[in-house]
Amino acid sequence: GNSVTQMEGPVTLSEEAFLTINCTYTATGYPSLFWYVQYPGEGLQLLLKATKADDKGSNKGFEATYRKETTSFHLEKGSVQVSDSAVYFCALSSNFGNEKLTFGTGTRLTIIP
Amino acid sequence: GAVVSQHPSRVICKSGTSVKIECRSLDFQATTMFWYRQFPKQSLMLMATSNEGSKATYEQGVEKDKFLINHASLTLSTLTVTSAHPEDSSFYICSARDARSTYEQYFGPGTRLTVT
Repeated sequence: GNSVTQMEGPVTLSEEAFLTINCTYTATGYPSLFWYVQYPGEGLQLLLKATKADDKGSNKGFEATYRKETTSFHLEKGSVQVSDSAVYFCALSSNFGNEKLTFGTGTRLTIIP
Repeated sequence: GAVVSQHPSRVICKSGTSVKIECRSLDFQATTMFWYRQFPKQSLMLMATSNEGSKATYEQGVEKDKFLINHASLTLSTLTVTSAHPEDSSFYICSARDARSTYEQYFGPGTRLTVT
């Protein structure tokens, strides 16, 4: 079956530090990959996505590249801000049009000034 | 952007009673809605998929008679936890798929259920 493994948190960084949150997956076929973010007191929001190998998703300074050879979709940001403090979830959907999502356990990120 | 609301945001009920949670898509039509359960420090677990006008599809291990799902309109789905017990205490999250989108889901803010 499908599964997503992401690095355990919590992660605490200073403002302007470089961020990497690792995510690897197991899936049949050619999954679509997603990063969702959950700010305190809010619902999950789609941060970025990639639907095929070598695609790079990007949004709000965050990037992730779909690496089929390493089955990875690591989230990166070059300079984090306090407002990036949230919980980040890596997820996959097993094939186009199949909207069932499989989530990782989430990584809580705290940015300190 | 697309907004999904849930009501109530938190509820406390006594063991043996039933609780209804509403999920609404406020500015789009949702042919498909999903219900998830999230345990502390754990991931979201898909409970069921509901399609407007048809019976919900439950994931393996989820009791359909305990977690009743109704998707009566294109903007409303409800989850009723029947005869609730303390082990049903959890964070319940719904999401809705825009009828115009192929795969993007929009999530509600969640409902915290505590059964005493």
